[in-house]
Amino acid sequence: QVHLQESGPGLVKPSETLSLTCTVSGGPIGSYYWTWLRQPPGKALEWIGFVYHTGTTKYNPSLKTRVTMSIDTSKNQFSLKMDSLTAADTAVYYCAREREQWIPIPSRWFDPWGQGTLVTVSS
Amino acid sequence: DIQMTQSPSSLSASVGDRVTITCRASQTINKYLNWYQQKSQKAPQVVIHAASTLQSGVPSRFSGSGSGTEFNLTISSVQPEDFAIYYCQHSYGTPPWTFGQGTRVEVQ
Repeated sequence: QVHLQESGPGLVKPSETLSLTCTVSGGPIGSYYWTWLRQPPGKALEWIGFVYHTGTTKYNPSLKTRVTMSIDTSKNQFSLKMDSLTAADTAVYYCAREREQWIPIPSRWFDPWGQGTLVTVSS
Repeated sequence: DIQMTQSPSSLSASVGDRVTITCRASQTINKYLNWYQQKSQKAPQVVIHAASTLQSGVPSRFSGSGSGTEFNLTISSVQPEDFAIYYCQHSYGTPPWTFGQGTRVEVQ
């Protein structure tokens, strides 16, 4: 059973950089798209982007200029950096694995998810 | 970006009721539509993927239907553990993947 766990600071000052790490256990980190999502309090989910096990990345255009993702397959970890934080970035941040199938019907979905970590941007 | 719109935003139901939530996409997404359940203070969990494929371990009272731009999630007989927020999400074409705003299913 694959398990994901986010780690990082719960409080970040405005204009500073957020650094989060997701540790994957119970399975290999290879051959999947490893994803970050977030959910502001009381609001809907937002896809931030993914990093593939090769290091290939894809980001949400709305966040692209501020986001960097990386992966360390030797540690079974992947990471998110987001800079120039504002109060609008206050959210629960989740890491998740994107699964894919082609038979019988093409499909991509997120499973499993980490438990999430609340990041508050405040001075 | 593809916009996902859910209706209603909330509903009240009694145990045993049949509940249906609708999700509409701003353009056709074939069957690239997933449904997630989120309980209070927990991470979302996939319920349905590919519009109608029940995730392993999810009770058969959950079902999904639709293709193109309109989709439904139905709970045939809602149980106490089903009261939660449900989100739809598309995975059509290339990212960004987007979610609906959520539908809260509350106990009446």
